[in-house]
Amino acid sequence: ETGVTQSPTHLIKTRGQQVTLRCSSQSGHNTVSWYQQALGQGPQFIFQYYREEENGRGNFPPRFSGLQFPNYSSELNVNALELDDSALYLCASSLVSGHVGSPLHFGNGTRLTVT
Amino acid sequence: QQQVKQSPQSLIVQKGGIPIINCAYENTAFDYFPWYQQFPGKGPALLIAIRPDVSEKKEGRFTISFNKSAKQFSLHIMDSQPGDSATYFCAASKQDDYKLSFGAGTTVTVRA
Repeated sequence: ETGVTQSPTHLIKTRGQQVTLRCSSQSGHNTVSWYQQALGQGPQFIFQYYREEENGRGNFPPRFSGLQFPNYSSELNVNALELDDSALYLCASSLVSGHVGSPLHFGNGTRLTVT
Repeated sequence: QQQVKQSPQSLIVQKGGIPIINCAYENTAFDYFPWYQQFPGKGPALLIAIRPDVSEKKEGRFTISFNKSAKQFSLHIMDSQPGDSATYFCAASKQDDYKLSFGAGTTVTVRA
């Protein structure tokens, strides 16, 4: 069973730039969620994707956007980067069948630094 | 608005001690309460989870206690070992959406 993999592991960007982070979900999972974890804080829910559509969003501005592909992998895009976007970005996958979901399995994250 | 409040921020115990981490939630619609363990440079890993129809759940050395009326739940680590040194997060969500609200985390250090 392949776990959740994220790329890249580390990234440095300049304020105002755009960034794309990638996630491959665990084998057999069909739902992907993205979380932002600032240093010393708990993860904050960004959004969830199910059947290639956004299925719920946390308190994040529209410059945070995402995609889910037919193979259930996903991308997180952040435009107009701000210094406060510096954080660990976590992807988590789960299996949703009907109205029942399985627990989230997290990847090891992408550490984004905005200078 | 933080929907799950976690305490303490950090704690240190001797090997064999029982670290206890407490969490409180506000949203009565929450019905799924997991605990995650995170080591430096790694993503959170699910430790144990409880639903509000039970007051206690044990898995190995980890025990969750749940008080629905007080909207509180806690994690006990029995016979703690140095390898348990990590950051622990409580979380909550509605079971059918798994959109987790996390606490701020507790860094546990177990001294040999």
